[in-house]
Amino acid sequence: GEDVEQSLFLSVREGDSSVINCTYTDSSSTYLYWYKQEPGAGLQLLTYIFSNMDMKQDQRLTVLLNKKDKHLSLRIADTQTGDSAIYFCARPYNQGGKLIFGQGTELSVKP
Amino acid sequence: NAGVTQTPKFQVLKTGQSMTLQCAQDMNHEYMSWYRQDPGMGLRLIHYSVGAGITDQGEVPNGYNVSRSTTEDFPLRLLSAAPSQTSVYFCASAHDPYEQYFGPGTRLTVT
Repeated sequence: GEDVEQSLFLSVREGDSSVINCTYTDSSSTYLYWYKQEPGAGLQLLTYIFSNMDMKQDQRLTVLLNKKDKHLSLRIADTQTGDSAIYFCARPYNQGGKLIFGQGTELSVKP
Repeated sequence: NAGVTQTPKFQVLKTGQSMTLQCAQDMNHEYMSWYRQDPGMGLRLIHYSVGAGITDQGEVPNGYNVSRSTTEDFPLRLLSAAPSQTSVYFCASAHDPYEQYFGPGTRLTVT
């Protein structure tokens, strides 16, 4: 969906931090989500943030939410080769359990 | 639990043929959805269901039918396949509507 946008590619070196960005247009979203897709597999929920939070940290993952600018980011500290995957941000779409996904950011981690 | 299973994993169809993509979940989830994934476009919602006997259209429903006669199964039917339906199809289920569990996907090619 055009209303959730991500850049398509990011390349980092092993051990560096990765920052994956997402912008969205619908400010009424109650939750915003990050999903991870490993090669040849389906998507798995990585983390989420409630819209009244600015930041959420979970081990190596930090989610930042700037509601004013409608900007969401996912920071991965000490990026490993196993973090290579496509990362999707998503927001709820109307009601009934539907999600709108961004285009996905392919993260490539070089040794 | 097997989680969400999809069959077949791969399929090649000729234009105009019909087929059914199978999806089953053993987690007693109420919500089930079908998405298609195309390069650079993220995942787009085709159809979804909030419970047995209830289905509704998503963003890109044309050319697809669904039914939900049981909680476990949510098949997706292609009525008359077209090359534009070449894609990877993912089925997802959820108890919480926004924490979705994805199947491994079906890669469909229409020639």
